[in-house]
Amino acid sequence: EAQVTQNPRYLITVTGKKLTVTCSQNMNHEYMSWYRQDPGLGLRQIYYSMNVEVTDKGDVPEGYKVSRKEKRNFPLILESPSPNQTSLYFCASSVGQSQETQYFGPGTRLLVL
Amino acid sequence: GEDVEQSLFLSVREGDSSVINCTYTDSSSTYLYWYKQEPGAGLQLLTYIFSNMDMKQDQRLTVLLNKKDKHLSLRIADTQTGDSAIYFCAERHYYGGSQGNLIFGKGTKLSVKP
Repeated sequence: EAQVTQNPRYLITVTGKKLTVTCSQNMNHEYMSWYRQDPGLGLRQIYYSMNVEVTDKGDVPEGYKVSRKEKRNFPLILESPSPNQTSLYFCASSVGQSQETQYFGPGTRLLVL
Repeated sequence: GEDVEQSLFLSVREGDSSVINCTYTDSSSTYLYWYKQEPGAGLQLLTYIFSNMDMKQDQRLTVLLNKKDKHLSLRIADTQTGDSAIYFCAERHYYGGSQGNLIFGKGTKLSVKP
C-alpha cells in the first residue's frame, strides 16, 4: 500500500529537549516536505527536499532542521524545541515537480511544555 | 506577495450544492489545488487545475478558475454528510523557472446538516 508514515503520532516534550519526527514514504518519490498546521494559519511549509541531499527552506524554517540521506526518509529535527513549536506537523511526498499526486502523512501532534 | 484567502466556514444542508471560494494573489501560479482534511486525518488531494484551464469536472466536483480575477472555486454537487471536512485551496508557482513552494489557504470548514 502506497503511504507516508510519521512517527510518533503524538508527542509531549519539554523546552530544550531535542526531538526527531520521522517521515518515511514507500513510493520512491523524489519530493518530500514538512508542514505545520496551526489554528487560523492553515498549513505552512517548513522545509522541502527535491531529492537525496537536496533540501531547502520553506516559509517557516526557524527552529527546525531536516536531512535527506535516503530517498524514502525525511526526518524533521527540533534541536531545542520551544512552546511556539507546539503544532500539528504533516509530512508529504510526491513524484516530482507537478505534485498533483502529493501524499500526506497522518500527522504528528506535538506539545512543547 | 503570496497569499491565498478563503472564508473560514460554510454550512449547507444535505443534498444542496456547496461552493467554496478562494482568491490568490500570484498571477504566475501554474497549478491550483483543492485538498480535503477530515477530522484527525492528513490532507487528501481532491482535485487540481492547471492555470490555462477554466473549468475541470470530476464526478460531483467542479472547479472553476477565473484567472483574470485570481478566483478559484470548488463546487460539490449533492453534498453529503461525509463531505463535512476542512477544504484547503493551494497554489504553486514558479520563480525564475524553478518550482516554488505550495502555498495553502487557511481552510474552509464545511458543515453539512442532515
